Amino acid sequence: GAVVSQHPSRVICKSGTSVKIECRSLDFQATTMFWYRQFPKQSLMLMATSNEGSKATYEQGVEKDKFLINHASLTLSTLTVTSAHPEDSSFYICSARDRPASGRYEQYFGPGTRLTVT
Amino acid sequence: RKEVEQDPGPFNVPEGATVAFNCTYSNSASQSFFWYRQDCRKEPKLLMSVYSSGNEDGRFTAQLNRASQYISLLIRDSKLSDSATYLCVVRLSTDSWGKLQFGAGTQVVVTP
Repeated sequence: GAVVSQHPSRVICKSGTSVKIECRSLDFQATTMFWYRQFPKQSLMLMATSNEGSKATYEQGVEKDKFLINHASLTLSTLTVTSAHPEDSSFYICSARDRPASGRYEQYFGPGTRLTVT
Repeated sequence: RKEVEQDPGPFNVPEGATVAFNCTYSNSASQSFFWYRQDCRKEPKLLMSVYSSGNEDGRFTAQLNRASQYISLLIRDSKLSDSATYLCVVRLSTDSWGKLQFGAGTQVVVTP
């Protein structure tokens, strides 16, 4: 099956610093990648949808200047949490969808990144 | 109102027993339905898609009721390894990007 990796798997940073999370599709080209956030005992909440070569589309309530998304290639999307605060501590998960021409709409999830802001 | 609602549980199930739980969705434009499994502090993994006619995958049976807008999952002969949180997931037909909407999950705990 398709493999999606995320790096780092966990990160601890100080309040006010920025953190970059990478999401890679390892064996397929992902024209669309999704970024989710999950707080304890809550559902995955979609933050934004990114398409290769274009600006990300953010869900309502998600600050685009705080959560910078770059989808520079068909296999890599990055999420940068800028000026992180303790309330940004969460489990960040990316998923990638195969090219529409493949006919497959399944999303493949990365293993997630646990961010702790102290 | 949440788009996808689930009973959070936990459902405590003796090993070998059967457990079933539902999920309701609010948007009638929902087109595709899935059950995902999420283990503690891990990413969700697709368990099975849910088809209109109902479908079975080993010990797991999923049903869809479009009229009442609910989906069910039944697990037979529960194993200890079935302990996890089960996420109900829907995709809208109107979303060209295929965005998924997740329920908060139903926790299942299988006990020896």
